[in-house]
Amino acid sequence: KAGVTQTPRYLIKTRGQQVTLSCSPISGHRSVSWYQQTPGQGLQFLFEYFSETQRNKGNFPGRFSGRQFSNSRSEMNVSTLELGDSALYLCASRPEGAPLHFGNGTRLTVT
Amino acid sequence: DAKTTQPPSMDCAEGRAANLPCNHSTISGNEYVYWYRQIHSQGPQYIIHGLKNNETNEMASLIITEDRKSSTLILPHATLRDTAVYYCIVRVANRDDKIIFGKGTRLHILP
Repeated sequence: KAGVTQTPRYLIKTRGQQVTLSCSPISGHRSVSWYQQTPGQGLQFLFEYFSETQRNKGNFPGRFSGRQFSNSRSEMNVSTLELGDSALYLCASRPEGAPLHFGNGTRLTVT
Repeated sequence: DAKTTQPPSMDCAEGRAANLPCNHSTISGNEYVYWYRQIHSQGPQYIIHGLKNNETNEMASLIITEDRKSSTLILPHATLRDTAVYYCIVRVANRDDKIIFGKGTRLHILP
């Protein structure tokens, strides 16, 4: 069974641009969540989606948004990029009642 | 979710058992203890979880004290591939994904 797939693996953007990251969950997993990981703040929860609905949200500004499609695939978008948005963005999926399975992330660098 | 306390780093000789402690003194009665690890440049990997009984799987054993205020993850025969950051978290079982990750323990396996 394929794991959680995140694309692209690496991304370089300029301040002020916007970016879209993609996540394909493990087949059959309906819950998808996103996390930001930085050396200073560690792993921080961004949001969780289930059946195309946002179920939970972390403490991030409105520039960070996401969505989930009917096939459970998810995207997250960051608008008006700032240098501080440079991070590893992780996606995780799980079936109901089971632990999270993480992808290997998208490393975003903002210059 | 309750907070956890882990030592920032530990060393273990290859082939020996690695015992990673975690303190979760404010854990609630319905919160489980979960362990994940993150190998460099990869997403976190689920290891094991438990409520109050000791648990064992093919990767590790989890020992939870009777008062549930602390636990120990045991890697029975550590190898170089076990070098990683290990995270201990507590949360209501699979309620949602708004997990609070601490700084974890950086485990160095010494050849």
